[in-house]
Amino acid sequence: DAMVIQNPRYQVTQFGKPVTLSCSQTLNHNVMYWYQQKSSQAPKLLFHYYDKDFNNEADTPDNFQSRRPNTSFCFLDIRSPGLGDAAMYLCATSRDYRDEQYFGPGTRLTVT
Amino acid sequence: AQSVTQLDSQVPVFEEAPVELRCNYSSSVSVYLFWYVQYPNQGLQLLLKYLSGSTLVKGINGFEAEFNKSQTSFHLRKPSVHISDTAEYFCAVSLTGGGNKLTFGTGTQLKVEL
Repeated sequence: DAMVIQNPRYQVTQFGKPVTLSCSQTLNHNVMYWYQQKSSQAPKLLFHYYDKDFNNEADTPDNFQSRRPNTSFCFLDIRSPGLGDAAMYLCATSRDYRDEQYFGPGTRLTVT
Repeated sequence: AQSVTQLDSQVPVFEEAPVELRCNYSSSVSVYLFWYVQYPNQGLQLLLKYLSGSTLVKGINGFEAEFNKSQTSFHLRKPSVHISDTAEYFCAVSLTGGGNKLTFGTGTQLKVEL
């Protein structure tokens, strides 16, 4: 029944060591989003894909990249994680721009 | 740019009591309005949304919200809360004119006590 799946649920990485977070969906939605949620803060949109078109938020650091190899999968790459990148990373999907966003359970990233 | 204000960071309430979580927004254009709930270490679940039409919106788990355009508010209410309602609640807006970027408030922690 899971519609938006994120793996792993918990990820520990070392300072400066590249890390990839995974999101997959069974909804066949056009749009996939990545949000960053730091402790006790609101989720903040990093970027999104409409199909294969990538849309970056203006204030998203260059350290964050994303790939969407097909409709079902989307990856978040952090090239050189810093301590400030420790957060919950949420993936969401929507059928189109005017439709409800469905969120995955999130991946909690710890940077040591 | 749009913004969302949730004035109460924490709201303690006894079980079976009513609760209201406040949300005010600011935008120069029309917006859609949403309430999401987040249980510990989980993603966000949509409680309800206002797109157009009736200003009183009913959602899941017995929650409802009322859109008040003149006061730019979208407060969330439940007449009788349960222990299982303990969670973080986020109000969010998106623009009606294309794009689907959600702008969230800082959240309200609802703690239901016996």
